[in-house]
Amino acid sequence: EAGVAQSPRYKIIEKRQSVAFWCNPISGHATLYWYQQILGQGPKLLIQFQNNGVVDDSQLPKDRFSAERLKGVDSTLKIQPAKLEDSAVYLCASSPPGTGNTEAFFGQGTRLTVV
Amino acid sequence: AQSVTQLGSHVSVSEGALVLLRCNYSSSVPPYLFWYVQYPNQGLQLLLKYTSAATLVKGINGFEAEFKKSETSFHLTKPSAHMSDAAEYFCAVSDYGGATNKLIFGTGTLLAVQP
Repeated sequence: EAGVAQSPRYKIIEKRQSVAFWCNPISGHATLYWYQQILGQGPKLLIQFQNNGVVDDSQLPKDRFSAERLKGVDSTLKIQPAKLEDSAVYLCASSPPGTGNTEAFFGQGTRLTVV
Repeated sequence: AQSVTQLGSHVSVSEGALVLLRCNYSSSVPPYLFWYVQYPNQGLQLLLKYTSAATLVKGINGFEAEFKKSETSFHLTKPSAHMSDAAEYFCAVSDYGGATNKLIFGTGTLLAVQP
């Protein structure tokens, strides 16, 4: 079974530039998550999709971050404009239908460096 | 609100020694608890999960964890450390009963294994 695919693996941009990340979840997984992992911290949920609808985006900085999941499959996360504090690893995860006892399967992440 | 606390951001053990990584949770409802491992430049991989069945949970790579309600703990153990166990370990609680099923992570424990 193919895992969660993310691209690019690494990205370096200057502050105030824009950047986009792509995620393709495991086939059949209705739920897709974007997590932000700042160095030395645990992952923090940015946004959760159930199919193509947003379930939770309470921690997404909506003035600069946006995400979409058209057709309920792959997803993109965009940052515009980027700030230095956005430097982090952005992890995409997906999970099959479940009610809390279902684990999330993670991609390898995109490491963003904002200079 | 649910949360997890990992005691000790860095743990160092000798090869062959017992590994003990501590996790305490806070939850107003019976929790679902998870341990994930993250190797350098990789995503998170599930080690094991507690979903209200057996309190002693066995995972991959010889790891296990015991759910202790009286102590609100879910510590991760392995009888004999191997060099390949060097990684960062995250404890997480699921937003059980909520609409999102999101994972709430601790800050992580970096495990070093000395030869």
